[in-house]
Amino acid sequence: DAKTTQPNSMESNEEEPVHLPCNHSTISGTDYIHWYRQLPSQGPEYVIHGLTSNVNNRMASLAIAEDRKSSTLILHRATLRDAAVYYCILSGGGSGGSNYKLTFGKGTLLTVNP
Amino acid sequence: GAVVSQHPSRVICKSGTSVKIECRSLDFQATTMFWYRQFPKQSLMLMATSNEGSKATYEQGVEKDKFLINHASLTLSTLTVTSAHPEDSSFYICSASGTGGWRGLNEQFFGPGTRLTVL
Repeated sequence: DAKTTQPNSMESNEEEPVHLPCNHSTISGTDYIHWYRQLPSQGPEYVIHGLTSNVNNRMASLAIAEDRKSSTLILHRATLRDAAVYYCILSGGGSGGSNYKLTFGKGTLLTVNP
Repeated sequence: GAVVSQHPSRVICKSGTSVKIECRSLDFQATTMFWYRQFPKQSLMLMATSNEGSKATYEQGVEKDKFLINHASLTLSTLTVTSAHPEDSSFYICSASGTGGWRGLNEQFFGPGTRLTVL
């Protein structure tokens, strides 16, 4: 599985934007970039995913470098409820099944200060 | 969005007993379900992948005779921890994915997890 590298932790202030970086220099052409987050004692929650183009949804934006070797998850206005571990994961596209295994790294622990 | 439930949310059992954890997709048909384990302050580790109606595929190092997985229907998968020991105490999380997902890709929808404590 292609690996990702994320900072262990980041800190932000409430209502400010947060940029969470992820390096994935060994990404293959068919790998999608997924972001999940996990609040304490809960299962992970899908945040966003993309392949080549930048993506926006109601939760966040995903900026993907032109060479696809890095990406940035952007939370436009952090709230206290955004405090979580954020995982950047590469996974192959296709019709699912074993092609869609998610390998979780250590992720980035985001702390949001009031 | 898709909802996945797990039952029970917490279970405490004695060493040597077996524990069954259920994972249900409530509003979609899950052709594939995944089981993860998470120890304190560590990341999720995939244990096995199961497709409806077929045998589960276990990750390297996971004992298939100890962690029995059944995926008999498109909405239910069960994980049975047999002859549980204190080292099996962990947070067990399932996820489910179906064909033709909401976002055009088979996303995984995670359950809330089951905290297992073996005394």
